[in-house]
Amino acid sequence: EVQLVESGGGLVQPGGSLRLSCAASGFTFSFYWMTWVRQAPGKGLEWVANIKQDGSEKYYVDSVKGRFTISRDNAKNSLYLQMNSLRAEDTAVYYCAREKGWQYYFDYWGQGTLVTVSS
Amino acid sequence: QSVLTQPPSVSGAPGQRVTISCTGTTSNIGAGYDVHWYQQLPGTAPKFLIYGNSNRPSGVPDRFSGSKSGTSASLAITGLQAEDEADYYCQSYDSSLSGSIFGTGTKVTVL
Repeated sequence: EVQLVESGGGLVQPGGSLRLSCAASGFTFSFYWMTWVRQAPGKGLEWVANIKQDGSEKYYVDSVKGRFTISRDNAKNSLYLQMNSLRAEDTAVYYCAREKGWQYYFDYWGQGTLVTVSS
Repeated sequence: QSVLTQPPSVSGAPGQRVTISCTGTTSNIGAGYDVHWYQQLPGTAPKFLIYGNSNRPSGVPDRFSGSKSGTSASLAITGLQAEDEADYYCQSYDSSLSGSIFGTGTKVTVL
């Protein structure tokens, strides 16, 4: 059974940093692109970033470029999102999802982890 | 940031058919990229519902169907059931953004 479990969310002050993790199991992690999607309270879904199987390609939504870094450790079956210079508008539930690379869809999702940026 | 446009809400009585539109542009749906759909029940993570415009993953009831034409796509739910009450999102790839984009979301209410 495919499982994705996010962790690392919490309350952080504006300008602060946080590192999210996503532990994957039930599939060959190194075979898949992986993605982060976020959802602000009461709002819709927003794609944040994705990363190729070997980490050689990474893409970001404009609003997080230069502040967020996506990475992965295939030996640990783990996906990460390093978030720096956090802003109030980054407050959201962050989901990791498995991505079907060339078709760009997300077939499995984690339960999400809440990030709150507030003073 | 570019988004795909969906109606905020649709409603129908049990057993009826409802459709949700998803309108894009020539850099995403109109460029030939596939449209995918997700269902999000209250307080839960999104669930994969339709991929490649009209394909249902294993376990998704055939009451759900999708289509695409030009710069738009649609999700249809036939034989509406109370358990279908949820938010629905379309999603595609945008070449001008080099990333995925989601629709604005549609809340389906079963009357």
